[in-house]
Amino acid sequence: NAGVMQNPRHLVRRRGQEARLRCSPMKGHSHVYWYRQLPEEGLKFMVYLQKENIIDESGMPKERFSAEFPKEGPSILRIQQVVRGDSAAYFCASSPLPQANTEAFFGQGTRLTVV
Amino acid sequence: GQQLNQSPQSMFIQEGEDVSMNCTSSSIFNTWLWYKQDPGEGPVLLIALYKAGELTSNGRLTAQFGITRKDSFLNISASIPSDVGIYFCAGQRSSGGSNYKLTFGKGTLLTVNP
Repeated sequence: NAGVMQNPRHLVRRRGQEARLRCSPMKGHSHVYWYRQLPEEGLKFMVYLQKENIIDESGMPKERFSAEFPKEGPSILRIQQVVRGDSAAYFCASSPLPQANTEAFFGQGTRLTVV
Repeated sequence: GQQLNQSPQSMFIQEGEDVSMNCTSSSIFNTWLWYKQDPGEGPVLLIALYKAGELTSNGRLTAQFGITRKDSFLNISASIPSDVGIYFCAGQRSSGGSNYKLTFGKGTLLTVNP
């Protein structure tokens, strides 16, 4: 049973470009959570999605950031018109039930560098 | 937003020594989790605590859920070089509308000298 798969592992974008980060949850998991980790910081919650639904996006910046988890395929975190401050590690976690009832497993992350 | 105070920020110890780190919060959590993150990797769950006062072990690791539900500590006994990494505490509520969110501490960087 493969773990949470994120790709790419590393992504370099110029300012103004778009970044697309993908997350394939563990098999059987329909709940996905995205977290951002700035250098020397802990992870901060961004968004919680179930299949085809955004449940909570309160931790995601209102502009330039969007997330989806379609019926088929991975969850996507999209950052438009990236700026240097978007440089961070972005982690995805998945769980079979809402996280309050079970532990979530994290992927290896995508390290975004904006140059 | 919610803050967890994790200390110490970093530790340099000799192989074989015991290590202790802790997290405190101004508000109550119903679950405490401890993760380890190796360089370039995602956090890996070490121990989960679900009840106030609970003391749980996982090999050389022992963690406790504070009786006030506002703190937790992690002990590592007889450290070895592969214990090197960043250790994070995380708290989770089990009530209210956002009970799925994890709130993380800033981490404790552990270095073990062989």
